[in-house]
Amino acid sequence: ELKVEQNPLFLSMQEGKNYTIYCNYSTTSDRLYWYRQDPGKSLESLFVLLSNGAVKQEGRLMASLDTKARLSTLHITAAVHDLSATYFCAVDIGSSGTYKYIFGTGTRLKVLA
Amino acid sequence: NAGVTQTPKFRVLKTGQSMTLLCAQDMNHEYMYWYRQDPGMGLRLIHYSVGEGTTAKGEVPDGYNVSRLKKQNFLLGLESAAPSQTSVYFCASSPPSGRARGTDTQYFGPGTRLTVL
Repeated sequence: ELKVEQNPLFLSMQEGKNYTIYCNYSTTSDRLYWYRQDPGKSLESLFVLLSNGAVKQEGRLMASLDTKARLSTLHITAAVHDLSATYFCAVDIGSSGTYKYIFGTGTRLKVLA
Repeated sequence: NAGVTQTPKFRVLKTGQSMTLLCAQDMNHEYMYWYRQDPGMGLRLIHYSVGEGTTAKGEVPDGYNVSRLKKQNFLLGLESAAPSQTSVYFCASSPPSGRARGTDTQYFGPGTRLTVL
């Protein structure tokens, strides 16, 4: 069964601290996406990771992809309150020109002042 | 550009009633998707479409039907609503032309909160 697992599911951290969210997936894929969702809101795209070894950074967030290990990480540097949200990874399992995305269960991040 | 819009934003149905959720996008995207989001389960793909007149099943298609008669619209229908279909429904679209450049991320609508009593 295809699984996309994130851990931790909940994360409460102090401002200024660093932490990493992990996304493991159980099938072959070379494309992985990270999204952010604020409470009661829609999803906003953060990163598209295309290939093994891909690393992207935006502000205090950095995402990486290891397709051999089927693992992506979202690293948070010096967290601030505005980063409080739920973060989802999604894996593209489509083939032959079709695009099907499987989402992880999400990591709810709360940054405490 | 309005991006991806969804109608309605909220709806309450009784078991057995039918309804249609409308998704519209003005970005000329080929691909469109319907997801449902339940607490603690992330998003699950219901149906998707890779172009006008085409649809395909996702992870959880049972109890839903879709149609893509126009490129900009993707409709999700519930013929006989059940309490298990209480959820938040999100529509998304993406541009396949961005796939090679890595800009093929999905753009999501604001969601429709559906309650089936």
